[in-house]
Amino acid sequence: DAKTTQPNSMESNEEEPVHLPCNHSTISGTDYIHWYRQLPSQGPEYVIHGLTSNVNNRMASLAIAEDRKSSTLILHRATLRDAAVYYCILRPGPISNFGNEKLTFGTGTRLTIIP
Amino acid sequence: NAGVTQTPKFQVLKTGQSMTLQCAQDMNHNSMYWYRQDPGMGLRLIYYSASEGTTDKGEVPNGYNVSRLNKREFSLRLESAAPSQTSVYFCASRAPTGMNTEAFFGQGTRLTVV
Repeated sequence: DAKTTQPNSMESNEEEPVHLPCNHSTISGTDYIHWYRQLPSQGPEYVIHGLTSNVNNRMASLAIAEDRKSSTLILHRATLRDAAVYYCILRPGPISNFGNEKLTFGTGTRLTIIP
Repeated sequence: NAGVTQTPKFQVLKTGQSMTLQCAQDMNHNSMYWYRQDPGMGLRLIYYSASEGTTDKGEVPNGYNVSRLNKREFSLRLESAAPSQTSVYFCASRAPTGMNTEAFFGQGTRLTVV
């Protein structure tokens, strides 16, 4: 499985934008980039995913480098409720056989929001 | 819409006891997963099931067994619990299709082995 590298921790001030980086230099051409986050004492939740183009949804934006070897999750205006561990993972696609169903997480980035 | 439901939420076991963690999803998903998360650590995949009737080992399968009872349910069994298995266990499910789909997680089972 292609591996991702994220900083262990980051801090940001409340109501400011946050840029969470992820390196995935061994990404294959068909791997999707997924982001999940885990709020304290909860299970992880999906945030966003993309393949090549930048993506936006109600939670965040995903900026993908042109060579796809890195990506950045952008929280446009961080709130205290965004304090969580953020995981960047790669998913093979399209899902053509059940051997691609393995879903592994790294250690993620612990984001602290400063009031 | 219940999503992914795990039972129990909390459990204390004595070393050597056995127990089964239950997971059920009501989203008609094909794939289901069991993870463990130790304090301050990321999630580690124990077992997964890509479809009813199939199971595969993840990163840390030793000491665990699983059973995909039907499409809805995926259980995790500890035959002889050890203190090293003290952890929070998460179940997840997703619907594999031609496009990448998101995984949904349960709220976790906090297991302590004394």
